[in-house]
Amino acid sequence: SQQGEEDPQALSIQEGENATMNCSYKTSINNLQWYRQNSGRGLVHLILIRSNEREKHSGRLRVTLDTSKKSSSLLITASRAADTASYFCATDSGAGSYQLTFGKGTKLSVIP
Amino acid sequence: DGGITQSPKYLFRKEGQNVTLSCEQNLNHDAMYWYRQDPGQGLRLIYYSHIVNDFQKGDIAEGYSVSREKKESFPLTVTSAQKNPTAFYLCASSIGQKAFNEQYFGPGTRLTVT
Repeated sequence: SQQGEEDPQALSIQEGENATMNCSYKTSINNLQWYRQNSGRGLVHLILIRSNEREKHSGRLRVTLDTSKKSSSLLITASRAADTASYFCATDSGAGSYQLTFGKGTKLSVIP
Repeated sequence: DGGITQSPKYLFRKEGQNVTLSCEQNLNHDAMYWYRQDPGQGLRLIYYSHIVNDFQKGDIAEGYSVSREKKESFPLTVTSAQKNPTAFYLCASSIGQKAFNEQYFGPGTRLTVT
């Protein structure tokens, strides 16, 4: 079952611009994580936000979480060509859950 | 140099053959996972294991089998019963069992069955 759905499916921006991608989910969560995947590679964890947090920062990344709307956004500021990758949100299904459910991802292209 | 290794990177098999994908980790993580990724899709969970000699089915376990005889190793066998085995397979591990733990991923194995 697909829990998280990212939007847009693909995003193309110029280097230096900000990139925003969104994730919507269906059921209550305890935590939401964002991962990055370079083409043909494994995923790399970026950031985790808990259900009682509204915003979290890590370097050029800013994640927000709105549990009332069941949505999260990932903002990458001052994008670089090296940020070109697919970005996935992953959700659990509440406290005590063991599995993560991944969305289909947003493919970001940063043009130099 | 800690991490997760998957081998081989590319694997080709004829239809009807079983094939085993390797996954090894030296992170001393308790939990290990196998995911399948199809083009333009997210990851779907095949099997996971929280402890040696124990594993659980994920969302798409049919046609797959696993074993966890050692903490470091979690091989996945794609059997001939899997109707559409061509995909990118990713192995992951995490320090604990709960879903809030960060998962560390291997580089993946791309399996092509013809």
